[in-house]
Amino acid sequence: GAVVSQHPSWVICKSGTSVKIECRSLDFQATTMFWYRQFPKQSLMLMATSNEGSKATYEQGVEKDKFLINHASLTLSTLTVTSAHPEDSSFYICSANIKVDTQYFGPGTRLTVL
Amino acid sequence: QKEVEQDPGPLSVPEGAIVSLNCTYSNSAFQYFMWYRQYSRKGPELLMYTYSSGNKEDGRFTAQVDKSSKYISLFIRDSQPSDSATYLCASSVFMDSNYQLIWGAGTKLIIKP
Repeated sequence: GAVVSQHPSWVICKSGTSVKIECRSLDFQATTMFWYRQFPKQSLMLMATSNEGSKATYEQGVEKDKFLINHASLTLSTLTVTSAHPEDSSFYICSANIKVDTQYFGPGTRLTVL
Repeated sequence: QKEVEQDPGPLSVPEGAIVSLNCTYSNSAFQYFMWYRQYSRKGPELLMYTYSSGNKEDGRFTAQVDKSSKYISLFIRDSQPSDSATYLCASSVFMDSNYQLIWGAGTKLIIKP
């Protein structure tokens, strides 16, 4: 199957700092990438849909100024959590389309904000 | 009411048993159905993808879709301890110019050696 990578896999930061998470499609070009958030023992929650070269579409309740998404190329999307707080601690997962109706997921990034 | 309903479990079965995982959905517009497997602290892995009623088999896994009753199933034969994971069903629907996944809650499966 298609390969999607994420970096870093685990990050610990201090409250008030910003953290950038990268999502790359390694063997295909992804015009659309998705960012999800997952709390323990819960299902994935879609945060935003990112199309290459255009602004991301955020889901209701997701602060676009806090979760900055940049999709600068067909193989890279980044999520920046600005001024992170402990309540932002979560598992962040990206995915990418290879076929328009199927998503392949990255391994996820665990964010811990102290 | 959620658009995709799935029992969160946990479902515990002995090794070698046949496992049946199920979801129901409410939106007739749903056309594509997937099963993902997610190990703890890992991203979901696509297991099966179907778009029509009937069965689709891949090794020990069989996905079944019944659009008339809006019911989707995943069967695992000869279950192994390594199959222990959370299994998420999802439907792909076109909205806001993109295909998005509508998720079930995920069923935690435990295979006991």
